[in-house]
Amino acid sequence: QVQLVQSGAEVKKPGASVKVSCKASGYTFTSYDINWVRQATGQGLEWMGWMNPNSGNTGYAQKFQGRVTMTRNTSISTAYMELSSLRSEDTAVYYCARLFGVVLGFDPWGQGTLVTVSS
Amino acid sequence: QSALTQPASVSGSPGQSITISCTGTSSDVGGYNYVSWYQQHPGKAPKLMIYDVSKRPSGVSNRFSGSKSGNTASLTISGLQAEDEADYYCSSYTSSSTFVVFGGGTKLTVL
Repeated sequence: QVQLVQSGAEVKKPGASVKVSCKASGYTFTSYDINWVRQATGQGLEWMGWMNPNSGNTGYAQKFQGRVTMTRNTSISTAYMELSSLRSEDTAVYYCARLFGVVLGFDPWGQGTLVTVSS
Repeated sequence: QSALTQPASVSGSPGQSITISCTGTSSDVGGYNYVSWYQQHPGKAPKLMIYDVSKRPSGVSNRFSGSKSGNTASLTISGLQAEDEADYYCSSYTSSSTFVVFGGGTKLTVL
């Protein structure tokens, strides 16, 4: 079945960077965009950006421009999201999700990766 | 403050129907037929319920339906069941540099 499996929880200090992985299985990795969405505890969903695994093209929400980088390794069907200059407000669960519709609609989602930023 | 406005909570009894609204602007909900809805149970990842305003992915119950009028999209759940109790989020494509915006979420309680 189509599945996205993310890397484990991370604890980082303010100012550091974190890189979360998202391994795809059950479909052709290069055929569908991967999006990243985060959710702070008790809060709503926040879209961060997208990546086309075939071309490597990316698009980032303005809020994260300059701090986020989305990449991939097609040989192992894995997408990555790296967020730099971490601050406490970046503490959240980070999800990867495959594009389902032509423009929007994300399915399935990874299980989520908790990133905690604390000194 | 979220870009799309949803009611914080709605409730209904088993068997009833409820509707969750999602209000945006002509730059997002009103301008494009790219509204999607997600269901999220506590501690779980979101699940796609509706995309492109009213399309249902395979495997999603036909008790879930979506629609749009002007700048407001709606998710209707008919024949409420206990397992429908969850948080629901709407999302839309936007012409702004954000590309994708979410609503703040609506907590559905099945009484």
